[in-house]
Amino acid sequence: QQPVQSPQAVILREGEDAVINCSSSKALYSVHWYRQKHGEAPVFLMILLKGGEQKGHEKISASFNEKKQQSSLYLTASQLSYSGTYFCGTGGATNKLIFGTGTLLAVQP
Amino acid sequence: NAGVTQTPKFRVLKTGQSMTLLCAQDMNHEYMYWYRQDPGMGLRLIHYSVGEGTTAKGEVPDGYNVSRLKKQNFLLGLESAAPSQTSVYFCASSRGVGDWGNQPQHFGDGTRLSIL
Repeated sequence: QQPVQSPQAVILREGEDAVINCSSSKALYSVHWYRQKHGEAPVFLMILLKGGEQKGHEKISASFNEKKQQSSLYLTASQLSYSGTYFCGTGGATNKLIFGTGTLLAVQP
Repeated sequence: NAGVTQTPKFRVLKTGQSMTLLCAQDMNHEYMYWYRQDPGMGLRLIHYSVGEGTTAKGEVPDGYNVSRLKKQNFLLGLESAAPSQTSVYFCASSRGVGDWGNQPQHFGDGTRLSIL
């Protein structure tokens, strides 16, 4: 079953912050985050492996709450280059990576 | 270093025709995957391979077959194309260290397939 991402879409002005959430109904062992620009391939951002782990990538960070079966991606001081669709991919006991339906982020000047 | 290369990039087929999509990676990755991406559906796993000569079904395997005869190549076949298979197909690969859920996946640029 696909993880649920929220919001489905968000529009920001440059410099604003955003949070994208990813929730699963199944136990999670890992969460991947990818960004895809229109017409391009998804690009890896980060993997979270442990409960409560936080990782960072430039001004993008993420948390993983294993107990709540959810992860959140934090984008601070957004830049135009952050625009795209963000996907979470969740890894469960079967080791299959299941992707969410995506969150469209548009950053405007 | 090309990474993951998919051919062809675009293709139009008629219903009932067959074709093969080729994925090649030059990173010596053990694991390879085929996904399809449809509007509002995200990426869905079709088939995957954890090593040369091995393949397994993903979420949406019906209507597709795969082969991994060489470590660097992963082929996706459509035996009798249907309009429902119109989609963008992505190939990805990852290292084989530990559980494959723990390794980043590297994607090709995709194949845009239309079936009339």
